[in-house]
Amino acid sequence: AQSVTQLDSQVPVFEEAPVELRCNYSSSVSVYLFWYVQYPNQGLQLLLKYLSGSTLVKGINGFEAEFNKSQTSFHLRKPSVHISDTAEYFCAVSSTGTASKLTFGTGTRLQVTL
Amino acid sequence: DARVTQTPRHKVTEMGQEVTMRCQPILGHNTVFWYRQTMMQGLELLAYFRNRAPLDDSGMPKDRFSAEMPDATLATLKIQPSEPRDSAVYFCASGLGHRTDTQYFGPGTRLTVL
Repeated sequence: AQSVTQLDSQVPVFEEAPVELRCNYSSSVSVYLFWYVQYPNQGLQLLLKYLSGSTLVKGINGFEAEFNKSQTSFHLRKPSVHISDTAEYFCAVSSTGTASKLTFGTGTRLQVTL
Repeated sequence: DARVTQTPRHKVTEMGQEVTMRCQPILGHNTVFWYRQTMMQGLELLAYFRNRAPLDDSGMPKDRFSAEMPDATLATLKIQPSEPRDSAVYFCASGLGHRTDTQYFGPGTRLTVL
């Protein structure tokens, strides 16, 4: 079974500052990792995903994440945030086998202020 | 721009009433997921289907919840009878059914049971 831990429930940051949202996973087999974003009153949408190859993955809206197998982490970063990045961010891991079920973390609320 | 659609967007009902939520997956997607999101529990997977057949409904309270796919363009989630603790946002997502695939979320149905 897989699990995902997002240690920070809320991250406040000023506009134009860098941000890192942390994600750690637990799995006994190789995994695929995802970051989704949920803007207020909307469904989730994919930011980026790690499948294989380069451990640095670039996504939409200037976000990137780095897969670290030894630390079982997949932290999300952005060098300079905007007010419009205020949202809930979810890290997720795919299940093993042939199913496409995702296990989501509890989410991190990114609050960007002026 | 293909999207997952959900109806209704909002539903207020009284305890004991039947509630039916509908989802139209993206055309060509063969996998449909139902999630429930609450402040306390976060994002929970209730059930999912592949090629209209239920693959996993272990997250769903069996005594009152039921999920079906009458055809490839419609998925339904029914609660009968509804209870106040069912108040939540219910999301439908669709995908192509592989572990690496993106899940595309609908805008959700916000259910309030009084």
